[in-house]
Amino acid sequence: RKEVEQDPGPFNVPEGATVAFNCTYSNSASQSFFWYRQDCRKEPKLLMSVYSSGNEDGRFTAQLNRASQYISLLIRDSKLSDSATYLCVVNPPGYQLIWGAGTKLIIKP
Amino acid sequence: DAGITQSPRHKVTETGTPVTLRCHQTENHRYMYWYRQDPGHGLRLIHYSYGVKDTDKGEVSDGYSVSRSKTEDFLLTLESATSSQTSVYFCASRQDVDYEQYFGPGTRLTVT
Repeated sequence: RKEVEQDPGPFNVPEGATVAFNCTYSNSASQSFFWYRQDCRKEPKLLMSVYSSGNEDGRFTAQLNRASQYISLLIRDSKLSDSATYLCVVNPPGYQLIWGAGTKLIIKP
Repeated sequence: DAGITQSPRHKVTETGTPVTLRCHQTENHRYMYWYRQDPGHGLRLIHYSYGVKDTDKGEVSDGYSVSRSKTEDFLLTLESATSSQTSVYFCASRQDVDYEQYFGPGTRLTVT
Protein backbone atom coordinates (compact mmCIF):
# COMPACT_ATOMS: atom_id res chain seq x y z
CA ARG A 1 0.00 0.00 0.00
CA LYS A 2 1.33 3.45 -0.91
CA GLU A 3 1.86 5.84 1.96
CA VAL A 4 -0.34 8.47 0.34
CA GLU A 5 -2.91 7.55 -2.27
CA GLN A 6 -4.91 9.77 -4.60
CA ASP A 7 -7.22 9.08 -7.50
CA PRO A 8 -5.14 10.20 -10.50
CA GLY A 9 -8.18 11.31 -12.50
CA PRO A 10 -8.52 13.18 -14.70
CA PHE A 11 -11.66 14.71 -13.33
CA ASN A 12 -13.49 16.49 -16.15
CA VAL A 13 -15.85 19.00 -14.59
CA PRO A 14 -18.02 21.76 -16.11
CA GLU A 15 -17.33 25.30 -15.06
CA GLY A 16 -19.34 26.28 -12.01
CA ALA A 17 -19.63 22.76 -10.65
CA THR A 18 -18.44 21.50 -7.30
CA VAL A 19 -15.70 18.89 -7.22
CA ALA A 20 -14.18 16.93 -4.35
CA PHE A 21 -10.95 14.97 -4.02
CA ASN A 22 -9.99 12.52 -1.34
CA CYS A 23 -6.56 11.37 -0.27
CA THR A 24 -5.76 8.51 2.10
CA TYR A 25 -2.60 8.11 4.15
CA SER A 26 -1.13 5.15 5.99
CA ASN A 27 0.90 6.65 8.85
CA SER A 28 -1.46 7.34 11.72
CA ALA A 29 1.25 9.37 13.49
CA SER A 30 1.22 12.02 10.75
CA GLN A 31 1.12 15.49 12.20
CA SER A 32 0.29 17.94 9.47
CA PHE A 33 -1.30 17.89 6.06
CA PHE A 34 -1.33 20.08 2.98
CA TRP A 35 -2.87 20.48 -0.42
CA TYR A 36 -0.63 21.76 -3.20
CA ARG A 37 -1.52 22.81 -6.71
CA GLN A 38 0.74 22.19 -9.69
CA ASP A 39 0.23 23.70 -13.09
CA CYS A 40 1.66 22.01 -16.14
CA ARG A 41 5.46 22.24 -16.23
CA LYS A 42 5.54 24.44 -13.13
CA GLU A 43 6.58 23.93 -9.53
CA PRO A 44 4.05 22.82 -6.89
CA LYS A 45 2.59 25.67 -4.87
CA LEU A 46 0.87 25.52 -1.52
CA LEU A 47 -2.90 25.74 -1.86
CA MET A 48 -3.78 25.32 1.79
CA SER A 49 -2.85 23.60 4.98
CA VAL A 50 -5.37 21.18 6.44
CA TYR A 51 -6.33 21.65 10.07
CA SER A 52 -8.02 19.15 12.38
CA SER A 53 -11.13 21.28 12.62
CA GLY A 54 -11.35 21.77 8.87
CA ASN A 55 -10.65 25.04 7.15
CA GLU A 56 -11.96 27.14 4.31
CA ASP A 57 -10.29 29.61 1.99
CA GLY A 58 -12.75 31.21 -0.39
CA ARG A 59 -14.11 28.51 -2.69
CA PHE A 60 -11.81 25.86 -1.23
CA THR A 61 -12.54 23.71 1.82
CA ALA A 62 -10.17 21.17 3.30
CA GLN A 63 -11.06 18.55 5.88
CA LEU A 64 -9.16 15.97 7.86
CA ASN A 65 -10.55 12.68 9.15
CA ARG A 66 -7.95 11.15 11.45
CA ALA A 67 -10.06 8.11 12.35
CA SER A 68 -10.32 7.05 8.72
CA GLN A 69 -6.96 8.56 7.76
CA TYR A 70 -7.99 10.70 4.86
CA ILE A 71 -8.05 14.32 3.88
CA SER A 72 -10.34 15.96 1.40
CA LEU A 73 -10.46 19.05 -0.78
CA LEU A 74 -13.70 20.59 -1.98
CA ILE A 75 -13.76 23.21 -4.73
CA ARG A 76 -17.01 25.11 -5.18
CA ASP A 77 -18.06 27.16 -8.21
CA SER A 78 -15.10 25.86 -10.17
CA LYS A 79 -13.32 28.20 -12.59
CA LEU A 80 -11.37 27.45 -15.74
CA SER A 81 -8.27 28.62 -13.86
CA ASP A 82 -8.72 25.80 -11.34
CA SER A 83 -7.53 23.33 -13.98
CA ALA A 84 -4.34 21.85 -12.53
CA THR A 85 -3.00 18.83 -10.70
CA TYR A 86 -3.76 18.76 -6.98
CA LEU A 87 -1.22 17.10 -4.73
CA CYS A 88 -1.99 15.71 -1.30
CA VAL A 89 0.91 15.95 1.14
CA VAL A 90 1.30 14.29 4.53
CA ASN A 91 3.88 15.09 7.20
CA PRO A 92 4.75 12.04 9.34
CA PRO A 93 7.22 12.37 12.21
CA GLY A 94 10.66 13.16 10.83
CA TYR A 95 12.13 15.40 8.17
CA GLN A 96 10.32 14.26 5.06
CA LEU A 97 6.99 15.06 3.52
CA ILE A 98 5.16 12.25 1.77
CA TRP A 99 3.60 13.25 -1.55
CA GLY A 100 0.67 11.76 -3.37
CA ALA A 101 1.00 11.35 -7.12
CA GLY A 102 -1.67 13.98 -7.71
CA THR A 103 -5.19 14.28 -9.10
CA LYS A 104 -5.60 16.01 -12.42
CA LEU A 105 -8.56 18.38 -12.69
CA ILE A 106 -9.84 19.74 -16.00
CA ILE A 107 -12.52 22.41 -15.90
CA LYS A 108 -14.50 22.69 -19.12
CA PRO A 109 -16.36 25.78 -20.30
CA ASP B 1 6.58 33.38 -2.26
CA ALA B 2 9.77 32.08 -0.69
CA GLY B 3 12.93 33.15 -2.49
CA ILE B 4 14.20 29.91 -3.99
CA THR B 5 16.10 29.83 -7.24
CA GLN B 6 17.58 26.99 -9.23
CA SER B 7 20.32 26.99 -11.81
CA PRO B 8 20.54 26.10 -14.54
CA ARG B 9 16.88 26.07 -15.55
CA HIS B 10 17.56 23.86 -18.55
CA LYS B 11 20.48 21.60 -19.35
CA VAL B 12 21.31 19.05 -22.01
CA THR B 13 24.26 16.82 -21.29
CA GLU B 14 25.81 13.61 -22.55
CA THR B 15 25.79 10.24 -20.86
CA GLY B 16 28.74 9.79 -18.54
CA THR B 17 29.36 13.45 -17.78
CA PRO B 18 29.05 14.88 -14.26
CA VAL B 19 26.36 17.48 -13.70
CA THR B 20 25.76 19.81 -10.77
CA LEU B 21 22.47 21.56 -10.10
CA ARG B 22 22.31 24.44 -7.68
CA CYS B 23 19.55 25.52 -5.33
CA HIS B 24 19.71 28.84 -3.53
CA GLN B 25 17.25 30.11 -0.91
CA THR B 26 17.13 33.46 0.83
CA GLU B 27 14.66 32.50 3.58
CA ASN B 28 17.19 31.09 6.06
CA HIS B 29 15.25 27.82 6.02
CA ARG B 30 16.93 24.98 7.84
CA TYR B 31 15.58 22.13 5.70
CA MET B 32 16.21 21.67 2.01
CA TYR B 33 15.18 18.94 -0.41
CA TRP B 34 15.87 17.69 -3.90
CA TYR B 35 13.11 15.90 -5.81
CA ARG B 36 12.73 14.54 -9.29
CA GLN B 37 9.42 14.42 -11.08
CA ASP B 38 8.65 12.04 -13.90
CA PRO B 39 5.33 11.24 -15.60
CA GLY B 40 3.41 8.64 -13.63
CA HIS B 41 5.65 8.87 -10.57
CA GLY B 42 4.88 12.18 -8.95
CA LEU B 43 7.54 13.78 -6.79
CA ARG B 44 10.27 11.45 -5.57
CA LEU B 45 12.77 12.50 -2.93
CA ILE B 46 16.43 12.20 -3.89
CA HIS B 47 18.25 13.71 -0.91
CA TYR B 48 17.48 16.15 1.83
CA SER B 49 19.34 18.30 4.30
CA TYR B 50 18.43 19.14 7.89
CA GLY B 51 21.24 21.60 8.43
CA VAL B 52 24.60 22.72 7.13
CA LYS B 53 26.64 19.63 6.31
CA ASP B 54 23.77 17.40 7.50
CA THR B 55 22.24 15.41 4.66
CA ASP B 56 20.47 12.11 4.17
CA LYS B 57 19.22 9.91 1.37
CA GLY B 58 15.73 9.80 -0.02
CA GLU B 59 14.00 7.01 -1.91
CA VAL B 60 15.87 7.48 -5.24
CA SER B 61 19.38 8.50 -4.19
CA ASP B 62 21.45 6.09 -6.30
CA GLY B 63 23.68 8.00 -8.74
CA TYR B 64 23.23 11.30 -6.90
CA SER B 65 25.17 13.12 -4.22
CA VAL B 66 24.54 16.39 -2.42
CA SER B 67 26.41 18.99 -0.47
CA ARG B 68 25.38 21.83 1.79
CA SER B 69 28.21 24.06 2.92
CA LYS B 70 26.00 27.09 3.64
CA THR B 71 22.44 27.45 4.84
CA GLU B 72 21.34 29.05 1.59
CA ASP B 73 22.88 26.62 -0.92
CA PHE B 74 22.12 22.97 -1.64
CA LEU B 75 23.92 21.32 -4.53
CA LEU B 76 22.86 18.15 -6.33
CA THR B 77 25.48 16.27 -8.33
CA LEU B 78 24.91 13.52 -10.84
CA GLU B 79 28.24 11.79 -10.70
CA SER B 80 27.98 10.20 -14.16
CA ALA B 81 24.75 11.13 -15.88
CA THR B 82 22.61 8.40 -17.43
CA SER B 83 19.58 8.64 -19.70
CA SER B 84 17.37 7.43 -16.81
CA GLN B 85 18.23 10.66 -15.00
CA THR B 86 16.48 12.72 -17.64
CA SER B 87 13.84 14.43 -15.56
CA VAL B 88 12.61 17.64 -14.00
CA TYR B 89 14.43 18.39 -10.76
CA PHE B 90 12.83 20.51 -8.05
CA CYS B 91 14.48 21.95 -5.01
CA ALA B 92 12.42 22.84 -1.96
CA SER B 93 12.98 24.31 1.46
CA ARG B 94 11.05 24.74 4.66
CA GLN B 95 11.45 26.53 7.93
CA ASP B 96 10.76 23.63 10.27
CA VAL B 97 9.37 20.11 10.29
CA ASP B 98 5.74 21.14 10.77
CA TYR B 99 5.75 23.72 8.05
CA GLU B 100 5.00 23.62 4.36
CA GLN B 101 7.67 23.35 1.68
CA TYR B 102 8.38 26.02 -0.87
CA PHE B 103 9.70 25.08 -4.27
CA GLY B 104 12.11 26.48 -6.77
CA PRO B 105 11.06 26.76 -10.43
CA GLY B 106 12.70 23.47 -11.44
CA THR B 107 15.52 22.36 -13.72
CA ARG B 108 14.79 20.39 -16.87
CA LEU B 109 17.68 18.01 -17.43
CA THR B 110 18.07 15.94 -20.59
CA VAL B 111 20.77 13.29 -20.78
CA THR B 112 21.48 12.17 -24.33
